[in-house]
Amino acid sequence: AQSVTQLGSHVSVSEGALVLLRCNYSSSVPPYLFWYVQYPNQGLQLLLKYTSAATLVKGINGFEAEFKKSETSFHLTKPSAHMSDAAEYFCAVMVQGAQKLVFGQGTRLTINP
Amino acid sequence: KAGVTQTPRYLIKTRGQQVTLSCSPISGHRSVSWYQQTPGQGLQFLFEYFSETQRNKGNFPGRFSGRQFSNSRSEMNVSTLELGDSALYLCASGRAGTVQETQYFGPGTRLLVL
Repeated sequence: AQSVTQLGSHVSVSEGALVLLRCNYSSSVPPYLFWYVQYPNQGLQLLLKYTSAATLVKGINGFEAEFKKSETSFHLTKPSAHMSDAAEYFCAVMVQGAQKLVFGQGTRLTINP
Repeated sequence: KAGVTQTPRYLIKTRGQQVTLSCSPISGHRSVSWYQQTPGQGLQFLFEYFSETQRNKGNFPGRFSGRQFSNSRSEMNVSTLELGDSALYLCASGRAGTVQETQYFGPGTRLLVL
């Protein structure tokens, strides 16, 4: 079965510091991986997705993620955190044949001034 | 282009009642999926519709049902509400329902069962 695990339910960084949110996946087939962000009282907004075209994927708001097959990882990074990045972030894998997203438990990102 | 819309945004019901939630996908999108989000269980897949047919279903009891209309709008119904059904219900739409395409999410309907 395909699944994702997000390491760290809460991450806190200072404004201007590097943001690193960890995601590991489990899949017996080449995965389609996604990162979504959720701001309070809102739905999910796509940050970026991996569909095997390139291992380094650039997304919106300065975020990027690197697909590493050997480590079964798809970590999300941003070089310099901004206060507006405070939100909950979800890593997800699309289950092939079932057309459904399986989400990690989410990581709440806090930015300290 | 307008995004995914969901109505109502907030809903309060009592145990035993039933509720219907509505989702209008992005224009031209034919796939609609529903997810339940709770603090304890996180985001869980309910079902997916494409061209008025339910193609996939998650592990939820039969009290949860849905349908899709010819204009791709979808409704989700929960009968005999339980306290544990309190959640944010998210709808997502996709153009063709293929595995690598992006699913675009609506703002959700927050359901509180008392």
